Amino acid sequence: EAGVVQSPRYKIIEKKQPVAFWCNPISGHNTLYWYRQNLGQGPELLIRYENEEAVDDSQLPKDRFSAERLKGVDSTLKIQPAELGDSAVYLCASSTRPKGLAEPDSPQETQYFGPGTRLLVL
Amino acid sequence: GESVGLHLPTLSVQEGDNSIINCAYSNSASDYFIWYKQESGKGPQFIIDIRSNMDKRQGQRVTVLLNKTVKHLSLQIAATQPGDSAVYFCAENPYYKYIFGTGTRLKVLA
Repeated sequence: EAGVVQSPRYKIIEKKQPVAFWCNPISGHNTLYWYRQNLGQGPELLIRYENEEAVDDSQLPKDRFSAERLKGVDSTLKIQPAELGDSAVYLCASSTRPKGLAEPDSPQETQYFGPGTRLLVL
Repeated sequence: GESVGLHLPTLSVQEGDNSIINCAYSNSASDYFIWYKQESGKGPQFIIDIRSNMDKRQGQRVTVLLNKTVKHLSLQIAATQPGDSAVYFCAENPYYKYIFGTGTRLKVLA
């Protein structure tokens, strides 16, 4: 089974330029996440989708970041314009999260991460 | 919690010994906890998880212990192997928000 696919793997841009990242989740996974990981730190959630609906975008810097998941499968994350501080690894993950609060004995969720896109803004 | 930035805590363990990686979490509402392993250039990989109604869960060579009283999580790796060298993150999940800890680098010495 193919894992989460992300492209590009690496991107170098100059500040103020736009950039976009693409994610193809594992087939059948209805939940998709975008994370940002700075060097030496854990991933930080940017946005979570349930199918095509963004159910948590509270940590997405909406002045320059946008995301979409139009058909509930692939997703793109865009930054426009990029700033020096946006240099990081952008990770996509998917899972088969049940809707609503899970029952205590429900199956555990497993989040599968892609390899990430390493962005360098010069 | 306080960020350690580039200076990840590092645990050096002799090959064949047991490793214990600790993590403190912050949110009392967290009811689900996960340990991830991240190798250089790769995304985090699920190792083991535990719900708050348990205090111990075992997998293959790994055990997770949860102490809700002091909000502490630990990952025990038995008979540590060179392939276990990586950065390990704990994550808590309050209200479906995954919050990752800073991470611990595990170095396995031959």
